[in-house]
Amino acid sequence: GQQVMQIPQYQHVQEGEDFTTYCNSSTTLSNIQWYKQRPGGHPVFLIQLVKSGEVKKQKRLTFQFGEAKKNSSLHITATQTTDVGTYFCAGGVYNFNKFYFGSGTKLNVKP
Amino acid sequence: SQTIHQWPATLVQPVGSPLSLECTVEGTSNPNLYWYRQAAGRGLQLLFYSVGIGQISSEVPQNLSASRPQDRQFILSSKKLLLSDSGFYLCAWSVWDGNTEAFFGQGTRLTVV
Repeated sequence: GQQVMQIPQYQHVQEGEDFTTYCNSSTTLSNIQWYKQRPGGHPVFLIQLVKSGEVKKQKRLTFQFGEAKKNSSLHITATQTTDVGTYFCAGGVYNFNKFYFGSGTKLNVKP
Repeated sequence: SQTIHQWPATLVQPVGSPLSLECTVEGTSNPNLYWYRQAAGRGLQLLFYSVGIGQISSEVPQNLSASRPQDRQFILSSKKLLLSDSGFYLCAWSVWDGNTEAFFGQGTRLTVV
């Protein structure tokens, strides 16, 4: 079945260091979305990528969608303590109205 | 604006008891509706999704069922809870075209004892 793999599972960084999480799908995706879940909270949408090779930026966050639309990455430059949380990718499937979430990367930032 | 309501926020139930979690959406019509489960420290597992009234697709075999009696109401049920049903249950909606973001409810933290 459809699978979206995400690595690493955990990442501990010092404040100011960079952070990257990677997503890979076993099949071609129609789109990839990224969500952030703060501890104890629910996932909140960050961004969606639709086009092959697409790159989008949100301040210190850079999102990429691979050329084959099977992989994606989220990179945070100069992390801050406010970046703490779990980051999920979610792959949309062609012709189906559903999303498959990666297992998430839990980011901890030490001040 | 659209809102999604999910309740209760927390629930402690004994093994073998029934379950009913309700989710309602306001401000949109014919949404796609989803139930996800998140085990402690884990990712989101898609349990059910629905593209319309009475239309339910199950992703994994389990002890749970879902129903959509009204356009903007999605219910997650169980006749007899198992210990393994414990987790954080999230309801979400998206517009009919699945190529858009999902909006999540606040979640229900279920502990089966």
